[in-house]
Amino acid sequence: DAKTTQPTSMDCAEGRAANLPCNHSTISGNEYVYWYRQIHSQGPQYIIHGLKNNETNEMASLIITEDRKSSTLILPHATLRDTAVYYCIVRVSNTGNQFYFGTGTSLTVIP
Amino acid sequence: GAGVSQSPSNKVTEKGKDVELRCDPISGHTALYWYRQSLGQGLEFLIYFQGNSAPDKSGLPSDRFSAERTGGSVSTLTIQRTQQEDSAVYLCASSLGGTGGKVYGYTFGSGTRLTVV
Repeated sequence: DAKTTQPTSMDCAEGRAANLPCNHSTISGNEYVYWYRQIHSQGPQYIIHGLKNNETNEMASLIITEDRKSSTLILPHATLRDTAVYYCIVRVSNTGNQFYFGTGTSLTVIP
Repeated sequence: GAGVSQSPSNKVTEKGKDVELRCDPISGHTALYWYRQSLGQGLEFLIYFQGNSAPDKSGLPSDRFSAERTGGSVSTLTIQRTQQEDSAVYLCASSLGGTGGKVYGYTFGSGTRLTVV
């Protein structure tokens, strides 16, 4: 699975959009981009995933560049409860194998 | 159940003792994973079960660690002769597995916080 690179930490003002970048320059054509987050003392929570088209759900939007070498997770109106570590992962969808989590981006939403 | 259930939620044990951690996956999920997370670290893969296939044990850090999954459902992670470096949160996740080109994410439990003193 492709390695991902994320900033270690970010701050965002409450009510503003949080844009979390992820580089995955070695991604293969059949690898999906997944985002998870982990709120302190809880298990990781699925947010969104995509292959090449931009995706949106009730939690977030995922913007994937045309060359698929990077992506951005967007939380449109960050709240204090969005403070968490956000993990960007790429993997082949149907291998059933493990996700490899890096250290993620620690997002702090500031009042 | 509605989610992945892990027990106990907290476990304090003395160095050298054995511990067993339990995971109840979501009903119908064929894939089950164990991860651990040490303080301030990312998630570290330990072991993966998929249906009746032989488990992928490539992430187990030593032969003191073992896991089994009975009846394709409940899983137990056993750590023998615990050491202080085993202190971590042990997370279990399940998914529908990966077949037919479909995309399945994980659902994680809340974890077991293991402290070896």
